[in-house]
Amino acid sequence: TQLLEQSPQFLSIQEGENLTVYCNSSSVFSSLQWYRQEPGEGPVLLVTVVTGGEVKKLKRLTFQFGDARKDSSLHITAAQPGDTGLYLCAGQRAQKLVFGQGTRLTINP
Amino acid sequence: EAGVVQSPRYKIIEKKQPVAFWCNPISGHNTLYWYRQNLGQGPELLIRYENEEAVDDSQLPKDRFSAERLKGVDSTLKIQPAELGDSAVYLCASSFSSGVLYNEQFFGPGTRLTVL
Repeated sequence: TQLLEQSPQFLSIQEGENLTVYCNSSSVFSSLQWYRQEPGEGPVLLVTVVTGGEVKKLKRLTFQFGDARKDSSLHITAAQPGDTGLYLCAGQRAQKLVFGQGTRLTINP
Repeated sequence: EAGVVQSPRYKIIEKKQPVAFWCNPISGHNTLYWYRQNLGQGPELLIRYENEEAVDDSQLPKDRFSAERLKGVDSTLKIQPAELGDSAVYLCASSFSSGVLYNEQFFGPGTRLTVL
């Protein structure tokens, strides 16, 4: 049983389109992190959200933590080919990170 | 500043053979993690060290997996004997834990293991 469910698992869209990736759980987390992983590399942290309802922006990426701290979303505006990669959400409980299965995003030129 | 270093990057072995992975964390990071990432999945924690102490090894299959972090710096993860289902990417990560609720983990590039 996956503690954190990401959807969609695969997404292929055209350059310039907008998209949203979801990360859902029935558990509460003290914080939630979003990572991006490129082939042959380890995950790289994009953002950490801590407070319920928190919204953080990173250029064209907008991250939101649910009010109950059980879910999160990642919205990308005007996607670029450079956004292609595996996006992972991870919930923190104590000192342990629990990862979702990832969303593989492909942006076509 | 150097990131987390792992070696080897790739390893192909036959089943029942032993294999070892090495990790050098970022200088000054007291916490070290080993994760396993199966194809199409997110990483799953195998073991977490704080300095030289393994504080969470609940997900480590102890019949065939072992790990050590002598002197609280470098770490090795060993599998003996390897099974077909052990094929995965083994990621090492490190962080500086200062008692706050969340600490950024920095990941190495991983070792891709293929068991034939």
